[in-house]
Amino acid sequence: GAVVSQHPSRVICKSGTSVKIECRSLDFQATTMFWYRQFPKKSLMLMATSNEGSKATYEQGVEKDKFLINHASLTLSTLTVTSAHPEDSSFYICSASRGGNGEKLFFGSGTQLSVL
Amino acid sequence: GQQVMQIPQYQHVQEGEDFTTYCNSSTTLSNIQWYKQRPGGHPVFLIQLVKSGEVKKQKRLTFQFGEAKKNSSLHITATQTTDVGTYFCAGIENSGYALNFGKGTSLLVTP
Repeated sequence: GAVVSQHPSRVICKSGTSVKIECRSLDFQATTMFWYRQFPKKSLMLMATSNEGSKATYEQGVEKDKFLINHASLTLSTLTVTSAHPEDSSFYICSASRGGNGEKLFFGSGTQLSVL
Repeated sequence: GQQVMQIPQYQHVQEGEDFTTYCNSSTTLSNIQWYKQRPGGHPVFLIQLVKSGEVKKQKRLTFQFGEAKKNSSLHITATQTTDVGTYFCAGIENSGYALNFGKGTSLLVTP
């Protein structure tokens, strides 16, 4: 099956700093990548849809300037949490599809962000 | 917007018992997918249903897509401890572009 690599798996940072999370599709080209946020024992909340070479589409309530998404190539998308605060502490997980919308998703292993 | 509801939230069964989780959407779906997330792991794709009334089986797992394409179910026969995890349904509405996930059903199987 397709492999999606996400790094780092865990990060602890101080309040006010920025954190970058990388999501790579290792063996396929992902025209679309999705970023989700998952709280403990909760569902996955879609944050944004990232399309290669264009601006990301953010879901309602997700701050664009807070969560910067860059999809510079067909195999890499990054999520930068800017000026992180403790309320940003969460599990962030990316996913990618081989094709267009509605195709099955391959998930990265997630990043546990803890902001002190 | 589209809402995907999933019940029950938790289920605790004895090994060998059956298990079912149900998924309902507020809108008609173009397809529905099921994922399994083991404790500490990431969601892994199980199956996709596209056709109205579709039924698919994977060994002890049976997936159904409702006739109206607004509900789905996952049934596990004779659960095993390896079935432990959270099962998510995720649907995309006809005019949508991304999967919306239900809240998941956490299954605990005790020997």
